[in-house]
Amino acid sequence: EAGVAQSPRYKIIEKRQSVAFWCNPISGHATLYWYQQILGQGPKLLIQFQNNGVVDDSQLPKDRFSAERLKGVDSTLKIQPAKLEDSAVYLCASSFLGTALNTEAFFGQGTRLTVV
Amino acid sequence: AQTVTQSQPEMSVQEAETVTLSCTYDTSESDYYLFWYKQPPSRQMILVIRQEAYKQQNATENRFSVNFQKAAKSFSLKISDSQLGDAAMYFCAYRSPNTGNQFYFGTGTSLTVIP
Repeated sequence: EAGVAQSPRYKIIEKRQSVAFWCNPISGHATLYWYQQILGQGPKLLIQFQNNGVVDDSQLPKDRFSAERLKGVDSTLKIQPAKLEDSAVYLCASSFLGTALNTEAFFGQGTRLTVV
Repeated sequence: AQTVTQSQPEMSVQEAETVTLSCTYDTSESDYYLFWYKQPPSRQMILVIRQEAYKQQNATENRFSVNFQKAAKSFSLKISDSQLGDAAMYFCAYRSPNTGNQFYFGTGTSLTVIP
């Protein structure tokens, strides 16, 4: 079974530039999560999708971050314009059934973003 | 939002020895799941073990086991016969049924295995 695919793995941009990350979840997984992981901290949820609808985006800085999940499959996360504090690893995860508590989340390898 | 606390930023263990990583959480819910994830330097989070809150029996997966104390809201991970490949960041996570089945993560414990 193919895992969660993310690209790119690394990205370096200057502040005020824009950047986009892509995620392809495991086939059949209805729930998709984007997490931000700052060095030395645990993952923080940015946005959660159930199919192509947003379940929770309360911690997404909507003035600069946006995310979409077209057709309930792939997802993109965009930052525009980037700030220095956006430097972090961006993790995408998916799970099979959003309402089944025992279902684990499967994670991609993440994208390490450095804003200079 | 639920709070997950890992009070040990770093731990070390001798190869073949046993180590216990601590986790506490704050919730008013009665039904939830708890997870331990491992994050090696490759960054990919991998599930180690899960525990259902309604089960009194502690979960076990080979060398990994948990000590789940529901009343104390404690969920520690015990790694027996530690191996060099166990070196990684370990995150405790809580999954809530009342907030869209979100996962809440602790700040992690960095485990070093000494040969």
